[in-house]
Amino acid sequence: GAVVSQHPSRVICKSGTSVKIECRSLDFQATTMFWYRQFPKQSLMLMATSNEGSKATYEQGVEKDKFLINHASLTLSTLTVTSAHPEDSSFYICSARRDRIVDTQYFGPGTRLTVL
Amino acid sequence: GEDVEQSLFLSVREGDSSVINCTYTDSSSTYLYWYKQEPGAGLQLLTYIFSNMDMKQDQRLTVLLNKKDKHLSLRIADTQTGDSAIYFCAENGDQAGGYNKLIFGAGTRLAVHP
Repeated sequence: GAVVSQHPSRVICKSGTSVKIECRSLDFQATTMFWYRQFPKQSLMLMATSNEGSKATYEQGVEKDKFLINHASLTLSTLTVTSAHPEDSSFYICSARRDRIVDTQYFGPGTRLTVL
Repeated sequence: GEDVEQSLFLSVREGDSSVINCTYTDSSSTYLYWYKQEPGAGLQLLTYIFSNMDMKQDQRLTVLLNKKDKHLSLRIADTQTGDSAIYFCAENGDQAGGYNKLIFGAGTRLAVHP
């Protein structure tokens, strides 16, 4: 159990376009999902916390209007990178919090975004 | 603020034990975690330990927690080439809005050679 999927796994787009990344918890309901960004050979940087049915909570320095997050159901959160630029190229990883008691996060396989 | 530190690289011979170390600063963390990341993939939760435990063993994995020194270690027995990956230590500090954020270390790259 505790499988999280992401789609697409890899995307290449032109500068100025918007890209949507989906994160799904396949076998459990997740009231809270998280979006991370990882630069090459670095650790994960939390971008925002997504709560089902409410607005996302963004970390300091993350532009809300650029990285739109929607958590419309207990199994789906989406991250939309609007007007993408080459500096937005990165590895984006989502996670879903499964168990409030044990407080564990299960991660998706990641999405590699390349903006030309 | 919270900080998690790990050594960046570890090289071991196949069949030997690997020990990856981590230090953290937030004494209020209730859980500490070890995640594994293979190239181009997401993070796989390997194991976690509750802060009131000293040790947890799960097959080839042994986690030791020294809460006084805020030191966490992961021992992998009989290390195999398939264990080659980056291992992240994380704590669930910085509670806000009713949930805890994970604070990650920089990751330790484990290389297993014949």
